[in-house]
Amino acid sequence: DAGVTQSPTHLIKTRGQQVTLRCSPKSGHDTVSWYQQALGQGPQFIFQYYEEEERQRGNFPDRFSGHQFPNYSSELNVNALLLGDSALYLCASRPRRRGDYGYTFGSGTRLTVV
Amino acid sequence: AQSVTQLDSHVSVSEGTPVLLRCNYSSSYSPSLFWYVQHPNKGLQLLLKYTSAATLVKGINGFEAEFKKSETSFHLTKPSAHMSDAAEYFCVVTSRGYSTLTFGKGTMLLVSP
Repeated sequence: DAGVTQSPTHLIKTRGQQVTLRCSPKSGHDTVSWYQQALGQGPQFIFQYYEEEERQRGNFPDRFSGHQFPNYSSELNVNALLLGDSALYLCASRPRRRGDYGYTFGSGTRLTVV
Repeated sequence: AQSVTQLDSHVSVSEGTPVLLRCNYSSSYSPSLFWYVQHPNKGLQLLLKYTSAATLVKGINGFEAEFKKSETSFHLTKPSAHMSDAAEYFCVVTSRGYSTLTFGKGTMLLVSP
């Protein structure tokens, strides 16, 4: 049973560019969340999607946007990249309706902005 | 709002000695708490979770944690460290409804031979 799959694993972009990161949740999971982990810090919540809508959002600017598809996979888009957006971006999934409250995390996408 | 404080940024132990990673939490309701481990260049793996059942929670790889409401603590322990335990550990509290996770800043566990 595949866990959470993220692509690409590494990415280098230039300031001002746009980037799209992708996530496939674990089988049976319908809720996807995205987190940003800066170097030496704990992950910070960006937003959560279920039923193809953004349900919760953390303290991130509108440059960060997302999407969830009918098959529950998700994309994270970041526009007008800043050097400070360099981080590990983690996707996490869980089944919303079951009593299992532990999220499953992917291995992340390492974004470097130069 | 909820928050988590991990009291040590680094903990060093020798192989075979006990491990104690300290975590205090703040929450306006009865929280669910987790410990996650992150090995270098890897994603996060769930070690254990507390969801208002037994206060002593057993996890994978011999780790356990005790929820103490009076002390607002959820410390992680292991009787005997192994070299493979060297990693970063995160204490995490959920929001009401489990929609978001709030992470501590992490504790790096170093294990020497």
